[in-house]
Amino acid sequence: QSVLTQPPSVSGAPGQRVTISCTGTSSNIGAGYDVHWYQQLPGTAPKLLFYVNNNRPSGVPDRFSGSKSGTSASLAISGLQAEDEADYFCQSYDRRLSGPVFGGGTKLTVL
Amino acid sequence: EVQLVQSGAEVKKPGESLKISCKGSGYSFTSYWIGWVRQMPGKGLEWMGIIYPDDSDTRYSPSFQGQVTMSVDKSITTAYLQWSSLKASDSAMYYCARLASAGEGWFDPWGQGTLVTVSS
Repeated sequence: QSVLTQPPSVSGAPGQRVTISCTGTSSNIGAGYDVHWYQQLPGTAPKLLFYVNNNRPSGVPDRFSGSKSGTSASLAISGLQAEDEADYFCQSYDRRLSGPVFGGGTKLTVL
Repeated sequence: EVQLVQSGAEVKKPGESLKISCKGSGYSFTSYWIGWVRQMPGKGLEWMGIIYPDDSDTRYSPSFQGQVTMSVDKSITTAYLQWSSLKASDSAMYYCARLASAGEGWFDPWGQGTLVTVSS
């Protein structure tokens, strides 16, 4: 059972827009801690996709966007491409656990 | 280029000990926390703990406290994760990653992962 809750899977056709939610509690996202997102392509290590809610590292396309509100955060991907098919994880900090916490991950399928 | 390179895959028997490594390069190794993350087959990411190479300050996740030991050798910019007595349930992929700040930051970059298989 992950501390942050994500939908197990989402899907969309090429060119469409999908969103992935990440729901926390008052001890993590709701306490004001930042949310970060990672993309894990099949058989590879996770890669940073967003940091501090909506900051993209260099090289990440602007088709990807992040937001945070209250106890939740969202990752949006527009103009879906086949190469976006991957697992996506959110991460924040939990003051009760005194450490980083992850979401369970969302598998994105491009139809 | 900032890089973390992990040691190779391991196959061990239950009860054996193991130490895997994570070598940092391309940045000031002693200035950033290193975290360890477990990913069991087909599952999500679990934070195990973090260590600060400059003074070896270590913080373990409650779920992993007493189960593993983290250490560093800053002279060779390498962090370690070790088990004294492996169990079959320790079979997983283990990643090291640089943490932007103590606990509250993001992990970047990540090592390529070390696959640990524990089987009799």
